[in-house]
Amino acid sequence: DARVTQTPRHKVTEMGQEVTMRCQPILGHNTVFWYRQTMMQGLELLAYFRNRAPLDDSGMPKDRFSAEMPDATLATLKIQPSEPRDSAVYFCASGSRSARATYNEQFFGPGTRLTVL
Amino acid sequence: AQRVTQPEKLLSVFKGAPVELKCNYSYSGSPELFWYVQYSRQRLQLLLRHISRESIKGFTADLNKGETSFHLKKPFAQEEDSAMYYCALAGGTSYGKLTFGQGTILTVHP
Repeated sequence: DARVTQTPRHKVTEMGQEVTMRCQPILGHNTVFWYRQTMMQGLELLAYFRNRAPLDDSGMPKDRFSAEMPDATLATLKIQPSEPRDSAVYFCASGSRSARATYNEQFFGPGTRLTVL
Repeated sequence: AQRVTQPEKLLSVFKGAPVELKCNYSYSGSPELFWYVQYSRQRLQLLLRHISRESIKGFTADLNKGETSFHLKKPFAQEEDSAMYYCALAGGTSYGKLTFGQGTILTVHP
């Protein structure tokens, strides 16, 4: 049963430190999404890629966040420098066009729970 | 612009009672609508989508274009239904991008 994987599952760091989160999409999926989940804002789309090319990263604070796909099996989200307000759960999702669906269905990873002290 | 509204942040019902989680959307074209569920500290997973017209775990949702709604319903709630529920919309040439609502936390009491 193919699943999206994310590492690390938990990260505690101090303000100002660099944080790197990794995602392995489901093999064969051509779209990858990064979301941030907080109690106040719910799920926010940060960035997404199609065939490894960034399509939209307007949801990310540009000065500190960056997202890349070095290859088809790895997506990264970096925060540098991290701040306490970045504390949240970060989800990665991947998608692929389904024979039944007009639009892509998204499959989510387990998330990275980030705490910035 | 696409927008999804879930007016209830929290919803509590007793086991066996009917439950309805509200979702309204704003989109000028023909939307693709989904319900995702997130059980405690787990990943989000697709519950159902409107084009499938299926019932999953006893839940159904009907797209009402006149009222721009996609409410999730279950006639008899179970304790294991307690979770966070997200309504989501995909539309146009969004390459699968989903716009999520704020989510509703459903608690089913014994």
